[in-house]
Amino acid sequence: GAGVSQSPSNKVTEKGKDVELRCDPISGHTALYWYRQSLGQGLEFLIYFQGNSAPDKSGLPSDRFSAERTGGSVSTLTIQRTQQEDSAVYLCASSLGPEGRSPLANTGELFFGEGSRLTVL
Amino acid sequence: RKEVEQDPGPFNVPEGATVAFNCTYSNSASQSFFWYRQDCRKEPKLLMSVYSSGNEDGRFTAQLNRASQYISLLIRDSKLSDSATYLCVVKPFWGYQKVTFGTGTKLQVIP
Repeated sequence: GAGVSQSPSNKVTEKGKDVELRCDPISGHTALYWYRQSLGQGLEFLIYFQGNSAPDKSGLPSDRFSAERTGGSVSTLTIQRTQQEDSAVYLCASSLGPEGRSPLANTGELFFGEGSRLTVL
Repeated sequence: RKEVEQDPGPFNVPEGATVAFNCTYSNSASQSFFWYRQDCRKEPKLLMSVYSSGNEDGRFTAQLNRASQYISLLIRDSKLSDSATYLCVVKPFWGYQKVTFGTGTKLQVIP
């Protein structure tokens, strides 16, 4: 498929373990986002990658969270020493990248993957 | 104050009703606005962009009020299939793509 692909779709882990979540964006999309959504809550911004620029990490909740994007494509979100409060759906999205001044040139639409549901026991 | 605020609802409306949601944003420099729809246990998907002049797509109308810093979504002739959470989305700058989502407004259309 040509959409955003995330893996694993479900992950159950024990408190204290490390987990890695993977996102494969749409080919050609230079912008990549990670969000977290707890049950019944809104989307919490985690990190944003744009091309070769330094990522915006302002949303990462603690130093246990890190993310990288290799070759401007696939991204991995790593959570070290998981805690129960890390349980959530982790959503990845990609978009074409910076839009021009005309709002019609690029809608800036974000395309989301189906998410990785993380449960920390 | 949150960057983007929405009434979480739920809004319970009968089929055929008209319903409107508002969303307020705090950054007056915000330039791009969108409504996304999220079905239960699904990922968000773009519903429509919000243009300065307002825009309409079938039963859906989106409007922007820059002076009061809010956007709105109007749904006419509600269908059961409209039941979902509607997320307000704001981008602050041209060319800078950090995207902020509101917490969403839940709509339940009742038969």
